Amino acid sequence: GAVVSQHPSWVICKSGTSVKIECRSLDFQATTMFWYRQFPKQSLMLMATSNEGSKATYEQGVEKDKFLINHASLTLSTLTVTSAHPEDSSFYICSASPLGQSNEKLFFGSGTQLSVL
Amino acid sequence: SQKIEQNSEALNIQEGKTATLTCNYTNYSPAYLQWYRQDPGRGPVFLLLIRENEKEKRKERLKVTFDTTLKQSLFHITASQPADSATYLCALGNRGTDKLIFGTGTRLQVFP
Repeated sequence: GAVVSQHPSWVICKSGTSVKIECRSLDFQATTMFWYRQFPKQSLMLMATSNEGSKATYEQGVEKDKFLINHASLTLSTLTVTSAHPEDSSFYICSASPLGQSNEKLFFGSGTQLSVL
Repeated sequence: SQKIEQNSEALNIQEGKTATLTCNYTNYSPAYLQWYRQDPGRGPVFLLLIRENEKEKRKERLKVTFDTTLKQSLFHITASQPADSATYLCALGNRGTDKLIFGTGTRLQVFP
């Protein structure tokens, strides 16, 4: 099946620093990738939809200036958490759907656990 | 507002039995419903998709039902194994949108 690689798998940073998370589709192209956040024992919450070559679409309540998304190619989307604070500590997951297929079946990355001290 | 509810309590069953997980939703009319498996510290893995016009779907030891009148989906794992222990998420989607709405998941523990 299709593989989505997410890196890093975990990161610890100091408050106020920025962290970049990469999401790559290894064996398929994706015009659309999705970024989710998941707190312990809670549901995946969609943060934004990343569109190749255009601006991301953010969900209500998600600060676009804080969570910068770049989708520069059909196989790579990045999420940068700027000026991270302890409340940004969470599990971040990306997903993608192969180009030409509907978004009914998503392939997820393995997630990134962010801990902000 | 749209709401998806899954058993919040963990489900503990003995190996070999059938596990049944529920997913109930309100204020939503999904075109399809999906089930995912998520292991600790990992991303979800797609298992099954069932559409609004389908009553039941099977894949190996998995079976999903979808009742749009009751607004409920049941997810069954027959002949359960300890390796089936994980959190199972249901997710709802609709036509014309890329978004999936996820439930909080139910943790399944299969003991020998």
